[in-house]
Amino acid sequence: DAKTTQPTSMDCAEGRAANLPCNHSTISGNEYVYWYRQIHSQGPQYIIHGLKNNETNEMASLIITEDRKSSTLILPHATLRDTAVYYCIVRLYSGGSNYKLTFGKGTLLTVNP
Amino acid sequence: GAGVSQSPSNKVTEKGKDVELRCDPISGHTALYWYRQRLGQGLEFLIYFQGNSAPDKSGLPSDRFSAERTGESVSTLTIQRTQQEDSAVYLCASSSGPYTGELFFGEGSRLTVL
Repeated sequence: DAKTTQPTSMDCAEGRAANLPCNHSTISGNEYVYWYRQIHSQGPQYIIHGLKNNETNEMASLIITEDRKSSTLILPHATLRDTAVYYCIVRLYSGGSNYKLTFGKGTLLTVNP
Repeated sequence: GAGVSQSPSNKVTEKGKDVELRCDPISGHTALYWYRQRLGQGLEFLIYFQGNSAPDKSGLPSDRFSAERTGESVSTLTIQRTQQEDSAVYLCASSSGPYTGELFFGEGSRLTVL
């Protein structure tokens, strides 16, 4: 899997949008970008994924640059419960030997009241 | 059940003892993963099961670690002769198949080796 680079930590005010960046400059054409988060003492939770188009679901939006070398996860109205470590992961669609999700260190997002 | 269930949630054992950790995946999910997370660290892949295919054991750290899965149901991770460095949270995840990266994780089993 291509490597990803994320800031170690970020802060956000409650009610504001949280924009979490991720660089994946070596991503290949058939690799997807996945985002997970891990709230303290819980298992990781899938958020969203995309290939090249922007994606939105009930949790978040994913913006992928045209060259696909970076992406941004957007939580439109952050709440205190969104405080967590957010992981950006790239993964081949077809699996093979690369079905494993490789979790890096992620970004610790702290939402402040 | 509705989600991935793991047991026990907490296990304290003495160095040298064997432990068994259990994972009940979501019904119908053919893929099952085990990860380990040491305190303050990221997730380390341990082993992967997909249907009736041979499991990928490439992440198991030593021959003291083994895992079994019966068909597409329950999986058991066994650690023999536990060491203090085995202390960690062991996370199980399942997915609908090898083509999706949408994994559903359990809450984990916290193992403490004294």
